[in-house]
Amino acid sequence: RKEVEQDPGPFNVPEGATVAFNCTYSNSASQSFFWYRQDCRKEPKLLMSVYSSGNEDGRFTAQLNRASQYISLLIRDSKLSDSATYLCVYSGGGADGLTFGKGTHLIIQP
Amino acid sequence: NAGVMQNPRHLVRRRGQEARLRCSPMKGHSHVYWYRQLPEEGLKFMVYLQKENIIDESGMPKERFSAEFPKEGPSILRIQQVVRGDSAAYFCASSQSSDTQYFGPGTRLTVL
Repeated sequence: RKEVEQDPGPFNVPEGATVAFNCTYSNSASQSFFWYRQDCRKEPKLLMSVYSSGNEDGRFTAQLNRASQYISLLIRDSKLSDSATYLCVYSGGGADGLTFGKGTHLIIQP
Repeated sequence: NAGVMQNPRHLVRRRGQEARLRCSPMKGHSHVYWYRQLPEEGLKFMVYLQKENIIDESGMPKERFSAEFPKEGPSILRIQQVVRGDSAAYFCASSQSSDTQYFGPGTRLTVL
């Protein structure tokens, strides 16, 4: 079983729509969770941390369910600039580095 | 405050040559991480270093790959006798203690 599983997409979504991504992880010892964004041929950039209580940053809402080992990201009122690959990431679980999913590719269409 | 810097941004090597990738962490950061991203794959952790110490190299291939972070100067990822399968984007990240990691722009290695 892969450590982090994400639907690779692509998700083609009209501008202004709401889109949600999910991610599952297999390492129950994982400690911290994040969503990163990666544009084509660029470095990953931290979008937001993910907490069990849920957290919101503007149009973005993230949620962690430790019991189901499941993470979600919701983007409201999507913009053209939201087009990117969204990476589900965790730290801990026995390794010092971050563990990345392969990402979900999002395309916002005008 | 400059971010994480990596050079070169693009590197072309022939099979059997050596590749040296450099990473300068953000000012004030003493923790450096190297990751590799193969085409169409996710980033994979390779090694975690602090000044003059390798803390975790569990993701490093057993042969041909080495990393260092000397007291002075950038961190170096060295790949000896490169093969075509080493072609990838190599990203460096830095952090202050075990805080958020900030990524550099990466070095794209192409092995001919």
